[in-house]
Amino acid sequence: GPKVLQIPSHQIIDMGQMVTLNCDPVSNHLYFYWYKQILGQQMEFLVNFYNGKVMEKSKLFKDQFSVERPDGSYFTLKIQPTALEDSAVYFCASSLEGRDTQYFGPGTRLLVL
Amino acid sequence: GDQVEQSPSALSLHEGTGSALRCNFTTTMRAVQWFRKNSRGSLINLFYLASGTKENGRLKSAFDSKERYSTLHIRDAQLEDSGTYFCAAEPNSGTYQRFGTGTKLQVVP
Repeated sequence: GPKVLQIPSHQIIDMGQMVTLNCDPVSNHLYFYWYKQILGQQMEFLVNFYNGKVMEKSKLFKDQFSVERPDGSYFTLKIQPTALEDSAVYFCASSLEGRDTQYFGPGTRLLVL
Repeated sequence: GDQVEQSPSALSLHEGTGSALRCNFTTTMRAVQWFRKNSRGSLINLFYLASGTKENGRLKSAFDSKERYSTLHIRDAQLEDSGTYFCAAEPNSGTYQRFGTGTKLQVVP
């Protein structure tokens, strides 16, 4: 089936540094999403993105977070600066339409020290 | 508050048997998606439903928006069905999915 890729699979950084998580969505999809899952907790929505704009974001999407997809390349989540509580697995997803099956990537495991 | 309540949290099945997982919703949802997380942590799509039922092989899912629940039935369980199953639902108001807490299924010989 359709595949979403995420790069890197793991990332360890020091608190205060910047990190960029990359997502390669399904090629013809138009809607993109980031989710966050802290170890032992539920998966939680961060943000969705369509036509170059953030459509909706949750309270977890702090001011230090930003997303973009320049010219159809990777859909990225940037955290600047990082904090200890940002340690989690971040999942990217994409869908063809807004109310449609979402396809998830394997996640990026981020550890902030 | 939490909008998706998933049960059971863990389930053990012998090969060849079956069972049902359930998600109850505290608000009206317009669609639900079911996933299985495999051993590598990837989320595998199983179903997306806006209403009614869908069946795929040994899996069958139902969604009742009015009664606020969805189920995933597994029959003739196989060892490779082991994994954690999640439901995720879209509320009528809002566009993003709320996830359940997952059901860890272990199929044993």
